Parts: sequence; C-alpha cells; structure tokens
Amino acid sequence: SQTIHQWPATLVQPVGSPLSLECTVEGTSNPNLYWYRQAAGRGLQLLFYSIGIGQISSEVPQNLSASRPQDRQFILSSKKLLLSDSGFYLCAWRTAGTGNTGELFFGEGSRLTVL
Amino acid sequence: GEDVEQSLFLSVREGDSSVINCTYTDSSSTYLYWYKQEPGAGLQLLTYIFSNMDMKQDQRLTVLLNKKDKHLSLRIADTQTGDSAIYFCAGARTGRRALTFGSGTRLQVQP
Repeated sequence: SQTIHQWPATLVQPVGSPLSLECTVEGTSNPNLYWYRQAAGRGLQLLFYSIGIGQISSEVPQNLSASRPQDRQFILSSKKLLLSDSGFYLCAWRTAGTGNTGELFFGEGSRLTVL
Repeated sequence: GEDVEQSLFLSVREGDSSVINCTYTDSSSTYLYWYKQEPGAGLQLLTYIFSNMDMKQDQRLTVLLNKKDKHLSLRIADTQTGDSAIYFCAGARTGRRALTFGSGTRLQVQP
C-alpha cells in the first residue's frame, strides 16, 4: 500500500533562518507531488507541484522553493524565512495521468512557526 | 471571487444530520471531493462523486451534486462527536494538475 511521510512535524524557526521540509512517498512510482500551505483558520493554498524529477511548477511568487531530487522525494525550502511563512504545510501525492479518480493523498503536515 | 466557496462554521447536536454546502465556479472537474481534517492532522479523503452523477451514498455520507447551480453538498446522518472536524470540498480547474480547495467548514457537534 502507498504511504506518505513528511517531517519534521513541528518546527519553530527565527526570522531569516533557512528551512527544509521533506516529504517521501512509498509504494508508488512517478507520482504527482504537491506542497500546500494552510494559514491559521484558512483553506489550502497550492504552493508547488511536480510531475517528475526536477520538474517543479510554482503557483504563487514567494519566499519558498521546491525541489524533487528523486522520484518519490519532494522538498520545500527557504533561504531566509519571513514571519508570513508561518503555517501548516501539507505534502500530497496523486497518481499521474488520467483514467483514475484523481484524489490527493496527504501527509500529516508540518507546522512551522516563524518568530 | 474564489473558485470554491464554503460557509465557515456549522454547529449541530449529536444524532442530528449535518449538511455542509459548497459552490464552485469551474465546472471542468471530472470528480469532486470531500475531505476531512481533524485538529493538527492532514486531510483525509472522505468520498468523491463523478461529475455525471447527481448523488452518491456511502454509509452515513450522502453527496449531492447540482451541476446547473454548481453546488455540492455533504450530508452526514446521525452526526457523532467524532465527526467534529473541518470539511473541505475540492475540485480540479481546467488545465490544472492540482485540486483547488474551499476554505473549509468547521463542524462542531454538541453532545
């Protein structure tokens, strides 16, 4: 069966420090991978998605970047965190292509607090 | 306006039915989805409906889809305290590989 893991679960970082959140998927190949952010009391904002190794699409201009060094690994990074980067970050995957029901499967989330 | 809109809050008594509503602007989704998020956790897929269907029932859950009005609803029968969570509807926009989510409806179940 497929599983998705993301870490760390909780992170408190000072303004201006770097960030690295990692996400890995097991039990599937060539998934589409996604990073969403959920601000407090709000919905989900799509940050990045990837359809393959090294292929990253950015949805909104921001202080963050994403990389996909391996097929089932997705990393969210920042060189210098801002207060506004605080939030709950969710990694997700879905089966690539058409002919499936297209749902996303989410990790347990990483809560980032920037002080 | 937003692509997907939901009311923010719903309070019901245990044992009653809950109805969570969602409206969307882009009708290109082949499937529409309902997710549940418990505090501090990721999103869990509850159910989905194919866009050519009007209704789907899955145990205590009933999904209704009105394509003409671009309205989706989730009914939870015999609501339990364990159903307290945030519920998100989601769909795929034209040309997008990702799902667009509503702002979520917080369901509070009172004993």
